[in-house]
Amino acid sequence: DFVMTQSPLSLPVTPGEPASISCRSSQSLLHSNGNNLLDWYLQKPGQSPQLLMYLGSNRASGVPDRFSGSGSGTDFTLKISRVEAEDVGIYYCMQSLETPYIFGQGTKLEIQ
Amino acid sequence: QVQVQQWGAGLLKPSETLSLTCAVNGGSFSGNYWSWIRQSPGKGLEWIGEINHSGSTHYNPSLKSRVTMSGDTSKNQFSLKLTSMTAADTAVYYCARNRVGRYGLDPWGQGTLVTVSS
Repeated sequence: DFVMTQSPLSLPVTPGEPASISCRSSQSLLHSNGNNLLDWYLQKPGQSPQLLMYLGSNRASGVPDRFSGSGSGTDFTLKISRVEAEDVGIYYCMQSLETPYIFGQGTKLEIQ
Repeated sequence: QVQVQQWGAGLLKPSETLSLTCAVNGGSFSGNYWSWIRQSPGKGLEWIGEINHSGSTHYNPSLKSRVTMSGDTSKNQFSLKLTSMTAADTAVYYCARNRVGRYGLDPWGQGTLVTVSS
């Protein structure tokens, strides 16, 4: 099975400042069609997880453009250009290259 | 806009079987895979498995011996059964759509808290 490792696990951020979360896979997530099968999800307090990014760098519908995803193969990054209060929650990466799909441990973003 | 709404028993005794159902609203059960995911208290997310309208399933090997997923195209619903429940299975269970092309899990259901206790 894949192992997905996120860092940091806790991320205190001042509003207006940038934030970055790393996700590393134990195996390459590059599909033969050239896509990286890596998603990002945000679970806001008391809510179900919601899709933020798919294929590593594609924003889901309605996701603000202050969110961006990058990376390929085994190393991926989610960046928030300017953190807002509504961005608090736990961020998860997930590999969807092969079943079982595996999530990272989660990164808790909190406002300082 | 597709939405998924889930329901099922929230309190089970050890050894009982979990039974949850998810309804697809505003769209069709056909044409996608549909996943079940769970989150133990204070823990991260664990993918349980997926099913499509043809009945094709993929289960997490860690739960495969106890999991059965089924679908009903006439009702636009799909279901999860997990046998021999123990306290370790206490979790919030979610259903979600696997977008075509592996474009992520979206939308997610509201979640069902399932507690296993004698």
